[in-house]
Amino acid sequence: AQKVTQAQTEISVVEKEDVTLDCVYETRDTTYYLFWYKQPPSGELVFLIRRNSFDEQNEISGRYSWNFQKSTSSFNFTITASQVVDSAVYFCALIIAGANSKLTFGKGITLSVRP
Amino acid sequence: NAGVMQNPRHLVRRRGQEARLRCSPMKGHSHVYWYRQLPEEGLKFMVYLQKENIIDESGMPKERFSAEFPKEGPSILRIQQVVRGDSAAYFCASSPRGRETQYFGPGTRLLVL
Repeated sequence: AQKVTQAQTEISVVEKEDVTLDCVYETRDTTYYLFWYKQPPSGELVFLIRRNSFDEQNEISGRYSWNFQKSTSSFNFTITASQVVDSAVYFCALIIAGANSKLTFGKGITLSVRP
Repeated sequence: NAGVMQNPRHLVRRRGQEARLRCSPMKGHSHVYWYRQLPEEGLKFMVYLQKENIIDESGMPKERFSAEFPKEGPSILRIQQVVRGDSAAYFCASSPRGRETQYFGPGTRLLVL
């Protein structure tokens, strides 16, 4: 069975600090898809990124970057120069190709960015 | 380009009543998923539907819960005889095909008194 572990539960930083959110996944499937979602205090779930298991290229989008390492089964998320608006719960999630498209979520990391 | 719509956003029910949660997927999406977010438990998959078909209901409680996605109209998650433990946020997501990115609605917060 697949599993996503987000060992950090709460992180607090001061604005403009860089912060990395860790995600470790477990699956026996060779084809899978990894995701990050953001849940701001307003409660909705916002899609951030999707990564396929056969594409290990790292990605950068503005202040956000993602580091996918199959060798360590990790898909870490870094926010550079954090801002107060980044305060949210961040979820890492996994879909395995052999399953019926259901997302398996980690427990989430609560990020607080203080001014 | 409307996103996933859910209503109501907030729902209060007394124990024993029925709760009906509605979800309209994004335009062009025929795959719908329901997830439940319980305090301290995180987000858990409940059910995956395509038009008129339940594809995977492995996450649905065996009793009192049902889901449908008719040919016309929104997907419905129905909870009969609600209990306090059903209080949670229920999220619907949609995708154009299986294993594609799922886009979530704003959720329905159910409170059972």
